[in-house]
Amino acid sequence: AQTIHQWPVAEIKAVGSPLSLGCTIKGKSSPNLYWYWQATGGTLQQLFYSITVGQVESVVQLNLSASRPKDDQFILSTEKLLLSHSGFYLCAWSLGLGASAETLYFGSGTRLTVL
Amino acid sequence: GDSVTQTEGLVTVTEGLPVKLNCTYQTTYLTIAFFWYVQYLNEAPQVLLKSSTDNKRTEHQGFHATLHKSSSSFHLQKSSAQLSDSALYYCAPVLNSGGSNAKLTFGKGTKLSVKS
Repeated sequence: AQTIHQWPVAEIKAVGSPLSLGCTIKGKSSPNLYWYWQATGGTLQQLFYSITVGQVESVVQLNLSASRPKDDQFILSTEKLLLSHSGFYLCAWSLGLGASAETLYFGSGTRLTVL
Repeated sequence: GDSVTQTEGLVTVTEGLPVKLNCTYQTTYLTIAFFWYVQYLNEAPQVLLKSSTDNKRTEHQGFHATLHKSSSSFHLQKSSAQLSDSALYYCAPVLNSGGSNAKLTFGKGTKLSVKS
């Protein structure tokens, strides 16, 4: 069975400080990976997606970056946090993009508070 | 541009009564499929329903929805709401802009509260 693990569960950070969030997918080789962001009371917004190691596509510009250093690992980071970065960050995987619609499977998320 | 419109805000229903959450969409792209995701309190979203066939009813966990491409709708319904159905519900069409990649777009979400 596939499992997706996100870390940390929660973070409280100062404005201007760096951030690194991660997720690992086990039990599935070469998944498509995604980062989503959910502001408090807001909808789910896709930030990045990756279909293979070393390749990441940005969907929304929020002064964040993402990397996929390994097939099963997806990292979200920034060197300087903004207040607007607060929210719920979700990592997700799917079998593929392409013409068919694949179900997204989400991790348990990281709740980020920027003060 | 593309837009997904869901029943706004909070929907409150009494346990045992029917519930309907509306979802319509506007797009110039090809709609491949539609999802409903549910997010329980302090949990990650999970898929509830998926449909890619026009005018075909899809059911899961007592919920059902029918994709109507002619009216651009995929409303979620349940005949008898349960307390455990209280959650945030997202409508999410999958759109293909004509390339090889499809994009899942989430609506703003509808919060369902079931009261006893």
